[in-house]
Amino acid sequence: GAVVSQHPSWVICKSGTSVKIECRSLDFQATTMFWYRQFPKQSLMLMATSNEGSKATYEQGVEKDKFLINHASLTLSTLTVTSAHPEDSSFYICSARDRGREENSPLHFGNGTRLTVT
Amino acid sequence: AQKVTQAQTEISVVEKEDVTLDCVYETRDTTYYLFWYKQPPSGELVFLIRRNSFDEQNEISGRYSWNFQKSTSSFNFTITASQVVDSAVYFCALSESNYGGATNKLIFGTGTLLAVQP
Repeated sequence: GAVVSQHPSWVICKSGTSVKIECRSLDFQATTMFWYRQFPKQSLMLMATSNEGSKATYEQGVEKDKFLINHASLTLSTLTVTSAHPEDSSFYICSARDRGREENSPLHFGNGTRLTVT
Repeated sequence: AQKVTQAQTEISVVEKEDVTLDCVYETRDTTYYLFWYKQPPSGELVFLIRRNSFDEQNEISGRYSWNFQKSTSSFNFTITASQVVDSAVYFCALSESNYGGATNKLIFGTGTLLAVQP
């Protein structure tokens, strides 16, 4: 089955530093990847849509200068949390759709990254 | 605008009981897709089912069944003879069709935490 690998699984960083999270589709190509954020006991909130070879599309209220997204290839998207602060602590999950499948085919999710900013 | 409502925040049942998780959605589109995902304590999202708006046939997969009612905009999920391994957060999600596009966003409900007691 389609696998999405997300790395790292967890990270602890100091306030003011930047953290990069990688999302890779291992056995399929993804023109589009999605980044979600989940607070404890809450739903997944879409942050942005990552498009291969072009700029990401951010949801309303998400700071694009704070959450930098790069989708340089059909199998890799990265999310960089810049100048992280404790309020950025959250569970970040990426997902990808196989470009070879029909629209609205199920998304494949990574295992998530638990970010803790101290 | 799209919206998914899962009114049940938490449900607790005893093993072997049947349990139904409710999902009500809102959309202005006539073509859309509905999904259910399971999120066990480990965090990864597991795809369970996708249903398009033109297919109102109920579906059964083992102990899982889904009841799609367009008239009430509901897509409920029933687990029969529940097991401890069913304990997880279950998310209902909606995606509108985007003809010719590849960025069909998945909008999640707030999730229902199901606890199955032995």
